[in-house]
Amino acid sequence: KQEVTQIPAALSVPEGENLVLNCSFTDSAIYNLQWFRQDPGKGLTSLLLIQSSQREQTSGRLNASLDKSSGRSTLYIAASQPGDSATYLCAEQGAQKLVFGQGTRLTINP
Amino acid sequence: NAGVTQTPKFQVLKTGQSMTLQCAQDMNHEYMSWYRQDPGMGLRLIHYSVGAGITDQGEVPNGYNVSRSTTEDFPLRLLSAAPSQTSVYFCASSYRGGASYNSPLHFGNGTRLTVT
Repeated sequence: KQEVTQIPAALSVPEGENLVLNCSFTDSAIYNLQWFRQDPGKGLTSLLLIQSSQREQTSGRLNASLDKSSGRSTLYIAASQPGDSATYLCAEQGAQKLVFGQGTRLTINP
Repeated sequence: NAGVTQTPKFQVLKTGQSMTLQCAQDMNHEYMSWYRQDPGMGLRLIHYSVGAGITDQGEVPNGYNVSRSTTEDFPLRLLSAAPSQTSVYFCASSYRGGASYNSPLHFGNGTRLTVT
């Protein structure tokens, strides 16, 4: 059974810090790993997609890595800003479906 | 491009009533899906479609029907609403060229449904 776990459930850091969000998955035969951002009362916005043949993807201050052998992905946020405050979800695309973690609620304090 | 549009944004139903949640996308995406999001349960797939005329069940399909008569639209029907269907519903779509799964999922802003 595909399972995706995100720890911690919530994280609060001062503005300007670099931080890492973690995602663990059980399916070794993944097609891709996706990271999303969700703001309160809104839908999910796709941030990065890492194909199974890739090790990492970068977009601006965001860098996501993928290690299939250990079943782990990380989202690195550089020089965090208050506008980065949101819930971040990862999702694993398997052969049959996309399975989501429950997310990490991130708060960046000015 | 409007992306993925969901209507209504909010809805209150009484137990036993039926209704349709609307979803439309203007990106010519082949793949469309419905999720529900509940506290402590995360996002769960209800139904999905890989193209017009093709639908399939997800993880929690009971109590819901879907159809896909056009590429753009993918409505979700609640046949007889129950309090357990109180949730936030999200429609999402992506491009699925051939056997490719490597296209990101685009979400609508959700419909918040309360069943009393």
